[in-house]
Amino acid sequence: DTGVSQDPRHKITKRGQNVTFRCDPISEHNRLYWYRQTLGQGPEFLTYFQNEAQLEKSRLLSDRFSAERPKGSFSTLEIQRTEQGDSAMYLCASSSQGKTEAFFGQGTRLTVV
Amino acid sequence: AQSVAQPEDQVNVAEGNPLTVKCTYSVSGNPYLFWYVQYPNRGLQFLLKYITGDNLVKGSYGFEAEFNKSQTSFHLKKPSALVSDSALYFCAVRDLGYSTLTFGKGTMLLVSP
Repeated sequence: DTGVSQDPRHKITKRGQNVTFRCDPISEHNRLYWYRQTLGQGPEFLTYFQNEAQLEKSRLLSDRFSAERPKGSFSTLEIQRTEQGDSAMYLCASSSQGKTEAFFGQGTRLTVV
Repeated sequence: AQSVAQPEDQVNVAEGNPLTVKCTYSVSGNPYLFWYVQYPNRGLQFLLKYITGDNLVKGSYGFEAEFNKSQTSFHLKKPSALVSDSALYFCAVRDLGYSTLTFGKGTMLLVSP
């Protein structure tokens, strides 16, 4: 169990640029989640995959955001035309179908300048 | 809908004293309840969960939590606090019919030597 891995750990980008984050879940976990955390707040759900199927998306996920999990393993989260309000910590988590708890990666901190 | 409230932004306790971090929840069905801890610039670490059964659940690092259905609470406790317990603590809930977690805003625990 190597844990959930996220890359990069930090990203600074200019407003209007596109960014992509990667998440590698724990290897046997078929469920993968993306959350966003802003300063002083708890994580907020963005989207959820079971295997390669994206089963749920939050209303927080505007059309500038897209997530994929093409082979049911790693996932990417892309933000197009970034805005300053996108600055946050983006957290990935994974779980297995038989378990209720999710395990989180260390997050990608995005700063839009 | 599911929601979590953590009424205290910060809890201060002296090392060696017992600590309690409060959490109340709202769900339409039966809740799955969780506590996570977050250290600075890190992801969330799973501490413990309540699914069913004994109302007192034990978790990592000597923490425990008590589920109270009538008060819809799930308070985190530890008999003797350590300075190293200082961190941000999040309570989370998942309704039986949902696949995703809803988090509280978090409570900063500060343990003084």
